[in-house]
Amino acid sequence: GAVVSQHPSRVICKSGTSVKIECRSLDFQATTMFWYRQFPKQSLMLMATSNEGSKATYEQGVEKDKFLINHASLTLSTLTVTSAHPEDSSFYICSAGETLQNTEAFFGQGTRLTVV
Amino acid sequence: DAKTTQPTSMDCAEGRAANLPCNHSTISGNEYVYWYRQIHSQGPQYIIHGLKNNETNEMASLIITEDRKSSTLILPHATLRDTAVYYCIVRFPTGANNLFFGTGTRLTVIP
Repeated sequence: GAVVSQHPSRVICKSGTSVKIECRSLDFQATTMFWYRQFPKQSLMLMATSNEGSKATYEQGVEKDKFLINHASLTLSTLTVTSAHPEDSSFYICSAGETLQNTEAFFGQGTRLTVV
Repeated sequence: DAKTTQPTSMDCAEGRAANLPCNHSTISGNEYVYWYRQIHSQGPQYIIHGLKNNETNEMASLIITEDRKSSTLILPHATLRDTAVYYCIVRFPTGANNLFFGTGTRLTVIP
């Protein structure tokens, strides 16, 4: 099946710094990728939709200036958490799928961000 | 996308069949039922999906009621590695692939 790779799998950063997370589709092209956030013991929450060559679409309540998304190629989307704070500590997950009818979404392995 | 309702948690003995129910009473005619699972600290994994016919693959079987208002995911011989949170999602097959996850069912397979 299709593979989505996410990097890094775990990162610890200091409060006030920025962290970049990469999401790659390894064997298919994805014009659209999705970023989710998951707090402990909670479900995944969609943060934003990353669109290749255009601006990302953010879900209500997600600050676009804090969570910068870049989708510069058909196989790579990046999420940058700017000026990170401890409350941004979470599990961040990306997904992608070929935009065809009736195909499932494939998920990266997730990135555990801890802001200290 | 239609809303789904799942039990919060279930236990299953190792080697036995795990039957995970999902209610989706507001499903529309063109919406599919998808199942994903998430093992602790990993990204979700696709399991199976269907429209109205029962489906089976190497991982599981999906039984959808005739009125399509509910479905059951069946893991025929549960193993300890099947311990995970299982999400039932109803969505249209076309368009963007963003998924809205509910709370899911936490399945614990007991030795």
